Amino acid sequence: SYVLTQAPSVSVAPGQTASFTCGGNNIGSKSVHWYQQKPGQAPVLVVHDDTDRPSGIPERFSGSNSGNTATLTISRVEAGDEADYYCQVWDSSSDHRVFGGGTKLTVL
Amino acid sequence: QVTLRESGPVLMKPTETLTLTCTVSGFSLSNARMGVSWIRQPPGKALEWLAHIFSNDEKSYSTSLKSRLTISKDTSQSQVVLTMTNMDPVDTATYYCARIWDTSGPFDYWGQGTPVTVSS
Repeated sequence: SYVLTQAPSVSVAPGQTASFTCGGNNIGSKSVHWYQQKPGQAPVLVVHDDTDRPSGIPERFSGSNSGNTATLTISRVEAGDEADYYCQVWDSSSDHRVFGGGTKLTVL
Repeated sequence: QVTLRESGPVLMKPTETLTLTCTVSGFSLSNARMGVSWIRQPPGKALEWLAHIFSNDEKSYSTSLKSRLTISKDTSQSQVVLTMTNMDPVDTATYYCARIWDTSGPFDYWGQGTPVTVSS
């Protein structure tokens, strides 16, 4: 089955840039989606199809995807961005939706 | 607006069968290329996709749980139902339903989640 690998944690100071990587075999050939989940809340879609932002998501959130790594970047990090971030793809060979293990963002 | 709402038992005993219902509004389960997945999250752990059903009744299941899961929908009632047999304490989690449109698309709307605890 297809596996997505994320670092367990990332820490940045307010105003700095946070980057989250999502590793998978030839992930560049897939559409990657990113979700933000704050404690006690349901996940929220922040980037879809590698680079697109849903309505209402700040431009500070951006994504890229190439080769074996997809990346979510948050510019000018704010305290309110502190959350867990998950990547997700559709694995066509199994028709499964797959989530990464998530990365916890701590704003120092 | 689009909403999804999960409902089901909060507390279960081992070996019992879990039945969860996702009631949707703001869209129809018969809309082309529209689907609903069930996803769970054990306390302090990552999201885990469980099963999916599309508007054409196409279904898919997590390989590791396939033998225990059944997903179905009642379009007239705007409901998607998931059953999981032989519940175990390791199945303790918050269970979410989420909408997807198009096979490779994202989960654009989520329910608030329903907690299920399995304990003797």
